[in-house]
Amino acid sequence: KAGVTQTPRYLIKTRGQQVTLSCSPISGHRSVSWYQQTPGQGLQFLFEYFSETQRNKGNFPGRFSGRQFSNSRSEMNVSTLELGDSALYLCASSSDGTSGRGGNEQFFGPGTRLTVL
Amino acid sequence: DAKTTQPNSMESNEEEPVHLPCNHSTISGTDYIHWYRQLPSQGPEYVIHGLTSNVNNRMASLAIAEDRKSSTLILHRATLRDAAVYYCILRGFGGGADGLTFGKGTHLIIQP
Repeated sequence: KAGVTQTPRYLIKTRGQQVTLSCSPISGHRSVSWYQQTPGQGLQFLFEYFSETQRNKGNFPGRFSGRQFSNSRSEMNVSTLELGDSALYLCASSSDGTSGRGGNEQFFGPGTRLTVL
Repeated sequence: DAKTTQPNSMESNEEEPVHLPCNHSTISGTDYIHWYRQLPSQGPEYVIHGLTSNVNNRMASLAIAEDRKSSTLILHRATLRDAAVYYCILRGFGGGADGLTFGKGTHLIIQP
């Protein structure tokens, strides 16, 4: 099976612009989660989508949004970029197994490195 | 999800076993214990998880204390490729409203 893929891998934007990142989960996985990783804050959960619906959301401002399509592919969007949005954005996919979501592993993509100038 | 405590860093020699500890004294009865690792310049990678019994897979073993307040990730024969940050994470049955909660993890250094 192909792993989680994210595009683009690297992106440079300027303050005030908006950006859209894409994630294709492992085939058959219906849950897609997004994380932000910065040197100062570490890995932080942004949101999770399952069957095109946002199921969970982390503590991020409304400038961060996402969506999921019927084929489980997901996009996240950041509007009005700030310097502090420079980070590695990671996508992870998971299946909802019978052991409950707590017992399911997440498979991470390589991330998109966003630099805001 | 309940919190975990890990040492900031550990050092080991290549081809020796490594025991990475994790304390989780407030674990609830339905919390799974997950371990992930992140190699330099890569996304996190699932290593292993368990609920009550010890678990083995091709990457590692997970030893869970009888009271479940602590666990140990065991790499049986460390290689240079095992140098990474290792995260111990608790995950409730329902998954938790905040996704995976990553702490600072343990930075594992492998000496040749």
